[in-house]
Amino acid sequence: GAGVSQSPSNKVTEKGKDVELRCDPISGHTALYWYRQSLGQGLEFLIYFQGNSAPDKSGLPSDRFSAERTGGSVSTLTIQRTQQEDSAVYLCASSQMWTGSPRIGPNTGELFFGEGSRLTVL
Amino acid sequence: GQSLEQPSEVTAVEGAIVQINCTYQTSGFYGLSWYQQHDGGAPTFLSYNALDGLEETGRFSSFLSRSDSYGYLLLQELQMKDSASYFCAAESSYKLIFGSGTRLLVRP
Repeated sequence: GAGVSQSPSNKVTEKGKDVELRCDPISGHTALYWYRQSLGQGLEFLIYFQGNSAPDKSGLPSDRFSAERTGGSVSTLTIQRTQQEDSAVYLCASSQMWTGSPRIGPNTGELFFGEGSRLTVL
Repeated sequence: GQSLEQPSEVTAVEGAIVQINCTYQTSGFYGLSWYQQHDGGAPTFLSYNALDGLEETGRFSSFLSRSDSYGYLLLQELQMKDSASYFCAAESSYKLIFGSGTRLLVRP
């Protein structure tokens, strides 16, 4: 597809259940990010994948959160034993790192965001 | 830690000019980006500053002062469609750390 695709767009689950959120990045983009946005708040960094390098997991809030990226493309964010405080919109973004010179864009490249997965934990 | 501060809300009149400030505290700082997000929508890239000074993109301009750890987004000839949230984002070690966002309301 032309843009970043996320599924499901909405997910309602019961406290204690596991959920999986999927992100399909723009073809050819080597970098993939997951962010979390609570209502009316900023974007909280969760995890970053770049090519075949080890992911930067420094933003994951607890060991209930994990993510993987298979084949350098699709990524899945898994939240185990969901809690009510996990309710938020989970945004995925992909980018192609800037390689031009002089550098006129961010190293990260312009991030292209998906529409997000809205998670509600009852 | 890493943090970015920006005002929570700004209101301006259609046709006016508005400036949204951002101060940051991050390690390994490379540059400052700005993103726009309409209610219910995805954030979209507006501009980027790697060097000190002003970058202009149409009605939008962005400024950076590395020595002051400060930047701003300037929106000119405001239109109703500019009502949205605006986020500054510091590029740190190949990831973007976002501020909490400024909600801009443009009034007729």
